[in-house]
Amino acid sequence: AQSVAQPEDQVNVAEGNPLTVKCTYSVSGNPYLFWYVQYPNRGLQFLLKYITGDNLVKGSYGFEAEFNKSQTSFHLKKPSALVSDSALYFCAVRDGSNDYKLSFGAGTTVTVRA
Amino acid sequence: GAGVSQTPSNKVTEKGKYVELRCDPISGHTALYWYRQSLGQGPEFLIYFQGTGAADDSGLPNDRFFAVRPEGSVSTLKIQRTERGDSAVYLCASSPTGSTGELFFGEGSRLTVL
Repeated sequence: AQSVAQPEDQVNVAEGNPLTVKCTYSVSGNPYLFWYVQYPNRGLQFLLKYITGDNLVKGSYGFEAEFNKSQTSFHLKKPSALVSDSALYFCAVRDGSNDYKLSFGAGTTVTVRA
Repeated sequence: GAGVSQTPSNKVTEKGKYVELRCDPISGHTALYWYRQSLGQGPEFLIYFQGTGAADDSGLPNDRFFAVRPEGSVSTLKIQRTERGDSAVYLCASSPTGSTGELFFGEGSRLTVL
């Protein structure tokens, strides 16, 4: 079985401040980890992924995430948030032993105030 | 088209009616997925196709739900005897075979059962 937990329903930050969205995961095999963003009335958009290699991965729109195997975490970060980053963010995990099934967390709503 | 296309974008129906939701994946993507997203929750896996066959339909909630992909491209999700609890956004995604990469999502079909 595989699962993802996003412990915060909402994150509020001021523009220009750092942004962190938390994610922890559980899988039996090697984790493939993903972050998606969903803007109002839009489809899920891919931000970044970790498959193997460097624990710090960089993605779209200035976002990055750090894979921490000992803490089973994959937190999403952005050094300086923008108002336009306000959206719903989903963490997702796939067990590397299968090639298809992606499991999502419940999502975290990020609000960046001007 | 360039992305995953889903129709209709919105569907309102009455309890007990039959509904079909269509997904046109990205050209050349052999893997196709259906997810369901209820309000305030993350996407929930329903079914996965590899080519024409359903490789995993373990997420379908009951036998009122059925999906087909007869030519390995367009897929249709069919819901019989709809219930109010079926109201949700139904998401379709596709990906290239054997990739370690992300799923590409459509904008979804919002189903409302009155």
